[in-house]
Amino acid sequence: AQSVTQLGSHVSVSEGALVLLRCNYSSSVPPYLFWYVQYPNQGLQLLLKYTSAATLVKGINGFEAEFKKSETSFHLTKPSAHMSDAAEYFCAGSGGTSYGKLTFGQGTILTVHP
Amino acid sequence: GAGVSQSPSNKVTEKGKDVELRCDPISGHTALYWYRQRLGQGLEFLIYFQGNSAPDKSGLPSDRFSAERTGESVSTLTIQRTQQEDSAVYLCASSLAVGGLGVEAFFGQGTRLTVV
Repeated sequence: AQSVTQLGSHVSVSEGALVLLRCNYSSSVPPYLFWYVQYPNQGLQLLLKYTSAATLVKGINGFEAEFKKSETSFHLTKPSAHMSDAAEYFCAGSGGTSYGKLTFGQGTILTVHP
Repeated sequence: GAGVSQSPSNKVTEKGKDVELRCDPISGHTALYWYRQRLGQGLEFLIYFQGNSAPDKSGLPSDRFSAERTGESVSTLTIQRTQQEDSAVYLCASSLAVGGLGVEAFFGQGTRLTVV
């Protein structure tokens, strides 16, 4: 069954520093992978998605993620953090035996301090 | 409508009462999902609909939970005899097709349920 694991429930970075949020998936077949962001008191918003067209995916707000099959990873990065990036980030996957189900990781809360 | 709409936005209910949560998906979206988000936890899958059918109900926590969808549109999640552990934000999402096709799911703002 598809599962998605996010390493680190909380990540704290300084403004201007690199953001790295980790996501690993397990699946018997290449999955579809997504990163969503949830700002305080708001709904989930799609940041980017991987659908096998390209392994490096660029999303909104300067975020990007690289699909690495050998590592079963889909880590989210941003070169320079901004205060407005503070939010909770969710990695999600679908495909394989869980074709119809979008499975989410536990979420990572990103804190950006001055 | 322009987005996924959920109602009510907040619901406080007494333990043992039944509650109904409503989701209006984006017009034309055939797939509809329900998730639960407990405080400090990730999104827990409950059920999804393809049209009016629910191929996967495996996430429903107990037989107190049920959901239906009519007219390939509105969906209702019903929780009978609510318990305090049911307190959570219930999120609804919709997409043009089932998630396995890599299609984006659009989320509503959620219903915050508090059982006292």
